[in-house]
Amino acid sequence: DTEVTQTPKHLVMGMTNKKSLKCEQHMGHRAMYWYKQKAKKPPELMFVYSYEKLSINESVPSRFSPECPNSSLLNLHLHALQPEDSALYLCASSLGQGKAFFGQGTRLTVV
Amino acid sequence: AQSVTQLDSQVPVFEEAPVELRCNYSSSVSVYLFWYVQYPNQGLQLLLKYLSGSTLVKGINGFEAEFNKSQTSFHLRKPSVHISDTAEYFCAVSDRGSSNTGKLIFGQGTTLQVKP
Repeated sequence: DTEVTQTPKHLVMGMTNKKSLKCEQHMGHRAMYWYKQKAKKPPELMFVYSYEKLSINESVPSRFSPECPNSSLLNLHLHALQPEDSALYLCASSLGQGKAFFGQGTRLTVV
Repeated sequence: AQSVTQLDSQVPVFEEAPVELRCNYSSSVSVYLFWYVQYPNQGLQLLLKYLSGSTLVKGINGFEAEFNKSQTSFHLRKPSVHISDTAEYFCAVSDRGSSNTGKLIFGQGTTLQVKP
């Protein structure tokens, strides 16, 4: 199994809603990542989890809250988002050396 | 700190023609180098990587890249492209250091447009 699975694929939420993005991998990778990608731009790193502990937070606003319940799962909790937060959110996992496997992403629209 | 520059934002090419997508990087430390491809409305897929050893690396779908340390370049090539190669291509680097978290620094991307 060399897949990273993200759910949902699409999400529309209001600015007062609370929602969560989910990511799962069964490759035994101990590093997991959240990236944000705006249209026609490269992915931007948001968070890195290493061995289930948050190791990098790239100054992401607190309305984004990551969680790593176990070595296979990564969540991104969303609350009080703004329209400019609309983007493709990508999850990735890695054994290290930067060789990352990406999920298909969640297309988020904030209305 | 590292940075990646992809020299062409768009590369139009006819089907079956060769193509080169250019990538230069800057880093104060040794890095690993990658090319990823992103098809419309999809995630990123690893095309190839340079970790060590031979400077010419071969990847999936007939792509190859050559690491040039003196020119700090990692250009991607394919001798004959297909319509299905139309996609966004990202060059990326990752710090080799002992504290490597696998964080990827991406270039701005190059749109490869293959025309019939």
